[in-house]
Amino acid sequence: AQSVSQHNHHVILSEAASLELGCNYSYGGTVNLFWYVQYPGQHLQLLLKYFSGDPLVKGIKGFEAEFIKSKFSFNLRKPSVQWSDTAEYFCAVNARDRDDKIIFGKGTRLHILP
Amino acid sequence: DTAVSQTPKYLVTQMGNDKSIKCEQNLGHDTMYWYKQDSKKFLKIMFSYNNKELIINETVPNRFSPKSPDKAHLNLHINSLELGDSAVYFCASSLGSPAYNSPLHFGNGTRLTVT
Repeated sequence: AQSVSQHNHHVILSEAASLELGCNYSYGGTVNLFWYVQYPGQHLQLLLKYFSGDPLVKGIKGFEAEFIKSKFSFNLRKPSVQWSDTAEYFCAVNARDRDDKIIFGKGTRLHILP
Repeated sequence: DTAVSQTPKYLVTQMGNDKSIKCEQNLGHDTMYWYKQDSKKFLKIMFSYNNKELIINETVPNRFSPKSPDKAHLNLHINSLELGDSAVYFCASSLGSPAYNSPLHFGNGTRLTVT
C-alpha cells in the first residue's frame, strides 16, 4: 500500500527565512500529489496539487512544490515565510491507477517566530 | 454559505453511549469522506461514498456506521463509544474521485471526547 513520509515533525523558523518541507511517498505508479495546510483551530485547506504536466507547481500564499519522480518526492517550498504561515502542513498522495484513497503524511508543525 | 459543514463542532460523551455526527456539502460534489485525526494530528481515512454508494471502507470497527441518505449528506454513527474513539473527525468532499484529479474540501471537524 502507498504511504507518505514527512521527515520534519516540527520546524521553527524566523520570519523571512526560506522554507523547505520534505515529503516522500512510496508508490511506483502514477500519482496525484497534494499539500494541505491546517491553521490552528481550523480545517484543512488545499495549498497546491500536482496531477500532471510541469513538475513545479505553484499554490496559494506564495508556496510551491516540486515533483521529482526519480526521488519519489514532492517537497514544499516558500522563499520567505511570514508569521501567519504558522500551521500544520500535510503532504498527501493518491495512487491514481490503484484506488481512490488519499493517504496523508503525519504532518509537519511549522512555527514562525515574529 | 459554508461549503462542507459538520455538526456538532464539539461532542463530549461517556463510554458506552451512541452518538452521531452529521455532514452536509453544498458544492454539488459526488464523493464524500470521513477522516479521523488523532491526538498526534495523524489523518486516516475511514470511509468514502460516491453518489450514496460506499466505495472505501478502511479497517474501522463495525461500531462505526456511515450513512448517506443522498449525495450531499454523509453521517457517521458510532455505537458503544470507547476512550480510543476520542479524536477530531473530519468530513470532506470532492467533485469526483481523487483518481480523476479532484482534491478534497474539508469541513471544520468535530472534536469528540469520550470520558
